[in-house]
Amino acid sequence: GENVEQHPSTLSVQEGDSAVIKCTYSDSASNYFPWYKQELGKRPQLIIDIRSNVGEKKDQRIAVTLNKTAKHFSLHITETQPEDSAVYFCAATFWGEWGAQKLVFGQGTRLTINP
Amino acid sequence: ETGVTQTPRHLVMGMTNKKSLKCEQHLGHNAMYWYKQSAKKPLELMFVYSLEERVENNSVPSRFSPECPNSSHLFLHLHTLQPEDSALYLCASSQLWTLTDTQYFGPGTRLTVL
Repeated sequence: GENVEQHPSTLSVQEGDSAVIKCTYSDSASNYFPWYKQELGKRPQLIIDIRSNVGEKKDQRIAVTLNKTAKHFSLHITETQPEDSAVYFCAATFWGEWGAQKLVFGQGTRLTINP
Repeated sequence: ETGVTQTPRHLVMGMTNKKSLKCEQHLGHNAMYWYKQSAKKPLELMFVYSLEERVENNSVPSRFSPECPNSSHLFLHLHTLQPEDSALYLCASSQLWTLTDTQYFGPGTRLTVL
């Protein structure tokens, strides 16, 4: 079935430390994995994404790694700052009805950066 | 206003009311989506429209009725809702839907059903 598991559900780190959020997906045909950040009371916004033909992608302090064999991908945030505090959602594509892809989201991780 | 906008931002309605949520995208995109975001649950896809045609329906109850009159506007008509339908309803758009392009979200409508 369509399933994306995300862990942990909450994460608290000291400012300057690194944070890692992990997701697993159920369908080996999934080929696109975005990460969204949702600050309190605001809309989800894409922060980084990776496609299945790439194992790792980095954008400044944020990186995503993908292990297709194990069907899991991770978000890495280095040198965390207070503004990184938010809920982070992973997602993966699944083939829905009518042969079309859609995004299925993980449950979310509430990240808190402690000053 | 640029991006994806939604109105109203907050809505309180009784179970017998009929109301509509509106979404508008100013990005020239061809696909639009309705998501439901409940507390402690993942974002749930409700409907997908591509070029004004509905292409995905995750077995959403008929008390939710979408309408896409053109590629820039999307509505969600609500009638005889239940208290468990209280949630944040998010609209999103993307350039294309089959290629799972980046989805841009609106600010959402916080719906409370009494």
